[in-house]
Order: sequence, then structure tokens, then C-alpha cells
Amino acid sequence: AQSVTQPDIHITVSEGASLELRCNYSYGATPYLFWYVQSPGQGLQLLLKYFSGDTLVQGIKGFEAEFKRSQSSFNLRKPSVHWSDAAEYFCAVGATIDMRFGAGTRLTVKP
Amino acid sequence: KAGVTQTPRYLIKTRGQQVTLSCSPISGHRSVSWYQQTPGQGLQFLFEYFSETQRNKGNFPGRFSGRQFSNSRSEMNVSTLELGDSALYLCASSIDGTDTQYFGPGTRLTVL
Repeated sequence: AQSVTQPDIHITVSEGASLELRCNYSYGATPYLFWYVQSPGQGLQLLLKYFSGDTLVQGIKGFEAEFKRSQSSFNLRKPSVHWSDAAEYFCAVGATIDMRFGAGTRLTVKP
Repeated sequence: KAGVTQTPRYLIKTRGQQVTLSCSPISGHRSVSWYQQTPGQGLQFLFEYFSETQRNKGNFPGRFSGRQFSNSRSEMNVSTLELGDSALYLCASSIDGTDTQYFGPGTRLTVL
């Protein structure tokens, strides 16, 4: 069965510091992988996605993610965090009709 | 293009009542999925509709139901509300269900 694990429930980084959010998945075939961001009380906004091809994926707001099949990982990175990046981040795997989300990582940004 | 819209944004109901939530997908999208989000359970898949047919259903009781209209708009209904149904209900649309989902802002349901 497919599943997604986000090992970090909460991460705090200083503004301007680099960020890496971890995501590990279990999936029987080549996965479709996504990262979404959610601000309090809002819906989910797509940051980036991986379907195939180049394993380093660029997204919006300066985020990128790297698909590593050997490690079953799809970690999200940003070189320099802004205060507005404070939100909850969700990794997801699968197609729409069979999509699973991780539990989320809440990001706090210190001034 | 307009995004996914959900109405109403907020609802307060009492136990035993029923509620209907509405979702209008992005124009051209024929797949609509519904999710329940709670602090304890996270994001849980409710069901997905494509061309007015339910293709997949999550592990929720029969009190949760949905439908899709010919214009791809979708509604979900929860009957005999329980306190545990308090949640943010998210709707997402995609072109055909095999591609990227785009989410609406959600409907916050509070059951008293």
C-alpha cells in the first residue's frame, strides 16, 4: 500500500537560513509526487510536482525538490527562507484517485 | 482562469443535522475530489467524482455522500452530524484525475 512519511512535525528556522523538509514514500510503481503548502485556515497550494524526467524539480516561491528513487525520498528545499514561508507543508504521492498525503510539517520562521 | 471555489466558507451546525457543501472546479476540469482535514487525522480522502460517477471512495461511513453534476460542480452531504465531523472540508479538481489537483479554500464545518 502506498504511504507518505514526513518525519518532522515541526521545524523552526531563522529567516535567511536554508530549509530542507523531508518526505519518504512507499509506492508500488513510479510515483507521482507533490508538495503543497497550506496557510492557516486556507486550502492547499501546489508548490511543485514530479511525474518523470529530471529528478530535480523547480517550483514556485523559490522551492525545489529532488526525487531520489534509491532512498524513496522527495525532499523539499529552499536556499533562503522568508518570513512569509511560515506555513504547513504537505508531501503527497499518487494519482488523484489514489492520493495519499503525509501528516504535514509545520514551519516556523524566526526573525 | 478562476480557481476552485467552495461554498460556504464557514458553517455551524448542531448534532443530528445534515449539511451540504458545494464545490465548483476549475473550468475544463472533470475530476473532483473531497478531503476531510482534522488536526488528529490529517488529510483524509473522502471520494472522487469524474463525469458524474463516483470512481473511488475513502473509508468513511455512509453518512458521507456526494454527487457531481453535468457541469462538473460537486456537492457533498453529511447526514446526522456528529461532533467528530467538525473539520475543514477541502475540494480539489483536476482535468481527469490522473494529473495535478488544485485545491479550493475549504469549508470550515463546526458541529456543536
